[in-house]
Formats: sequence, structure tokens, C-alpha cells
Amino acid sequence: EDQVTQSPEALRLQEGESSSLNCSYTVSGLRGLFWYRQDPGKGPEFLFTLYSAGEEKEKERLKATLTKKESFLHITAPKPEDSATYLCAVTYGGSQGNLIFGKGTKLSVKP
Amino acid sequence: DTAVSQTPKYLVTQMGNDKSIKCEQNLGHDTMYWYKQDSKKFLKIMFSYNNKELIINETVPNRFSPKSPDKAHLNLHINSLELGDSAVYFCASTIASGPNEQFFGPGTRLTVL
Repeated sequence: EDQVTQSPEALRLQEGESSSLNCSYTVSGLRGLFWYRQDPGKGPEFLFTLYSAGEEKEKERLKATLTKKESFLHITAPKPEDSATYLCAVTYGGSQGNLIFGKGTKLSVKP
Repeated sequence: DTAVSQTPKYLVTQMGNDKSIKCEQNLGHDTMYWYKQDSKKFLKIMFSYNNKELIINETVPNRFSPKSPDKAHLNLHINSLELGDSAVYFCASTIASGPNEQFFGPGTRLTVL
């Protein structure tokens, strides 16, 4: 059973069409939930860390939220340059500080 | 001013060969990692290492071994390469082991023929 599940696997949006990506987790003792952006041929780029339910963080058109079971990455009025794969990862009591990643959501934003 | 760098960017080799990938970070971080990203883009932890402790993912074959000459470097040695080792390998670092953001290198695409 996957510990971190992201949905949808792929999302195609028109420029300006707001939407949300989901990351659900089943681990116990969450210590941190991370969002990364990965462009083709590059390493993951850190976006946000969330530590406790109810926490929210924003950066430009992106807003990340966290509940006890899942996190959402809200994208407001996306632009083509937001196209990338968005990765969610968690650390928890049993992961020894290691990041456990989901399989990502590939976002395409068409002009 | 690259934070985490890896060499080479691409590595093409024959089955059975031994190869190394180098990683350097100039962030002053204490903990470094190696991840493997398979053809389906799934990132999985292989090793984490600080100057006191090496933690190995139990699924990693012992043909893979990390070597750290100093705190800023964590190299990955792979012996007797197999076709299934083909993947992109990422190095990462963090200020200290724990729920801290990790910074990733650009990746090394390994192709085993």
C-alpha cells in the first residue's frame, strides 16, 4: 500500500483556470509534508513545508494546505510557466528523516 | 553558486561495469542523500548519511555503496551494473536529519546497455 498518494496523475488546464492537486497520506506521526516542483530533466525544487493540520503557506499563485489526512496544492490563475510535475513527500516517525514521495501530478497549462 | 552539484550529467555504460557518480554541496549541510527516480518518475530514497550515521534503504542492493570523503561530498559507487539500474539518480542535502527541506541536485541519468 502506498504511503503517499497523489491525484490526479495528470491535469491539463487552460491559462487562468484555477484548480487543486491532492496529496493523501497514511503514515502515522507525520513530522512534515513537503511540496516540490520538478521540471523535465531537472531535480525537484522545494516549494513548501507544512508541519501541522490547519497550516497554510502561499507563494505567488500557489497555496498549500494541510489536514490530518491530506494536503492540497491550490493553483490560482495558472500560467503556462506553472507547467511541471508537482511532487508531495512526507517524513514521519518511522522514516528516519527520509522523504517518502508520492508519484506526482503532471500539470500542463495551455495558453 | 550551485548549491548541490552532480557529475556526470549523463552516464552510459555496459552491463557488468563499475561506475561512480559524484555529489557536492556548498550549503554547509550536515546530511546528504541519494535517491533513484525510475522510468515512471517515482523517487525513492536509497541512502541518507551524515558524519555519524549511514542509513540504507533495505531494498537497495549491496552493489550500491555511498562514500563520503568529507561533509560536503557524498559519492555513489555502483558495482556490476545491471540493466535495471538504468534510472536518474539524485543527490540531495539538508541542514540536519529531520523534517527539514531537502535541496536536490540536477540528477545523473544512468543508462546501462
